[in-house]
Amino acid sequence: KQEVTQIPAALSVPEGENLVLNCSFTDSAIYNLQWFRQDPGKGLTSLLLIQSSQREQTSGRLNASLDKSSGRSTLYIAASQPGDSATYLCAARSNTGNQFYFGTGTSLTVIP
Amino acid sequence: KAGVTQTPRYLIKTRGQQVTLSCSPISGHRSVSWYQQTPGQGLQFLFEYFSETQRNKGNFPGRFSGRQFSNSRSEMNVSTLELGDSALYLCASTRDRVSNEQFFGPGTRLTVL
Repeated sequence: KQEVTQIPAALSVPEGENLVLNCSFTDSAIYNLQWFRQDPGKGLTSLLLIQSSQREQTSGRLNASLDKSSGRSTLYIAASQPGDSATYLCAARSNTGNQFYFGTGTSLTVIP
Repeated sequence: KAGVTQTPRYLIKTRGQQVTLSCSPISGHRSVSWYQQTPGQGLQFLFEYFSETQRNKGNFPGRFSGRQFSNSRSEMNVSTLELGDSALYLCASTRDRVSNEQFFGPGTRLTVL
C-alpha cells in the first residue's frame, strides 16, 4: 500500500523567505502527484499537478518537482507572503487501483 | 465554470441516525471521489464513482455507501452513525479516471452527538 509522508509537519518562516516543502512516497507506480493547500475548515485548493512523465511544474511563485525513482516531490514557494499561511498537502495517484493517497500535510505560517 | 458543490455544508446528528450528503461535480467531470478528513487520521479515501459505478473503495465499514447518478452527481450515505464519524467529508471531481487534476468541494462538516 502506498504511504505518503510530509516533512516537516509544521513550519514557521518570516515573510519574504523562500521555502521548500517535502513529500515522500513509497511506491513509484504513480500516474501523477498533486499539491493542494487547505485553509482551516475549508476544502482543498489545487496548486499543481505533475504527471508521472514530468519532472516539474510551475505556477507563479510555486514550483513543484517530481523524482519518481527516489519517491520524492518538493514544493518550492518563492518570496513567501502571510497569505500563503495554510496547510499544504500532497497526494499521489496510484496506477494500481487509481486511488489517491494523501500525506498528513505541512502547516505553514508566514510571519509578517 | 462552477466548481464542485457540496450540500449541506454543516450537519448535526445523533448516534444511530443516518445521513445523506450530496456532491455535484464540475460540469463535464464524470469521476467523483469521497474522502473523510479527521484531525487524527488525516484524509482517507472512501470511494470513487465513475459512470454510475463504484470503481474503488477504501477501507471503511459497510455503513458507508454511495451512488452516482446519470448526471454525475453523487451522494454518500452513512447509516447508524457513531461518534467517530464526526469529520469533514470532502468530495472531489475529475474529468476522467486517470491522469486528470482533482478538484475539491468545500466539504460537509458532520458532527455526531
